[in-house]
Amino acid sequence: NAGVTQTPKFQVLKTGQSMTLQCAQDMNHNSMYWYRQDPGMGLRLIYYSASEGTTDKGEVPNGYNVSRLNKREFSLRLESAAPSQTSVYFCASSERGQGSHQPQHFGDGTRLSIL
Amino acid sequence: DQQVKQNSPSLSVQEGRISILNCDYTNSMFDYFLWYKKYPAEGPTFLISISSIKDKNEDGRFTVFLNKSAKHLSLHIVPSQPGDSAVYFCAAGGSLVGGTSYGKLTFGQGTILTVHP
Repeated sequence: NAGVTQTPKFQVLKTGQSMTLQCAQDMNHNSMYWYRQDPGMGLRLIYYSASEGTTDKGEVPNGYNVSRLNKREFSLRLESAAPSQTSVYFCASSERGQGSHQPQHFGDGTRLSIL
Repeated sequence: DQQVKQNSPSLSVQEGRISILNCDYTNSMFDYFLWYKKYPAEGPTFLISISSIKDKNEDGRFTVFLNKSAKHLSLHIVPSQPGDSAVYFCAAGGSLVGGTSYGKLTFGQGTILTVHP
């Protein structure tokens, strides 16, 4: 039972390059989320998907795009990477959507460095 | 505007003693609260939660207290063990936070807990 799987685990990019971070969950959860974690800032929500086919902006969406490919997969794309996007990125999922009190389950993160 | 704050970046405790981690929030629409634990190079893992209709929830060595009037919650770990050394995040969510929440959470900055043997 893998839970939430993120790939890759590490990546180094040059400024201006693009890349897609992949996330898949095997818990049949409706909602999925992308966060970034920076020192002293906690986890900040980038985008979320309440259900398959829907996506919405979170707290820090600028410079990112997302795709909810199907119920299992939720990808995060950096079209033109900037040094300010150096961070640890976490994907999470939860069982239900609106009004849910279910905890979110997290992957182990992608450590992204942009030079 | 940080809606969830953990004002202590770090806490050091002796093994066997109590660890108390604190969290304050500003948005009165939050109606449930969670604590997550995070080890290095791993994702956060859910520890314990509390609904706003309660003021205490207990799970083994972990107890969360909620003081709604003060907009404050705390996590008590008794007795503390070296394996509890990690970063602890509090998080808050609501059924109606600026509209439909869809299970969205707002996280604090985290507190690094170190338990010394």
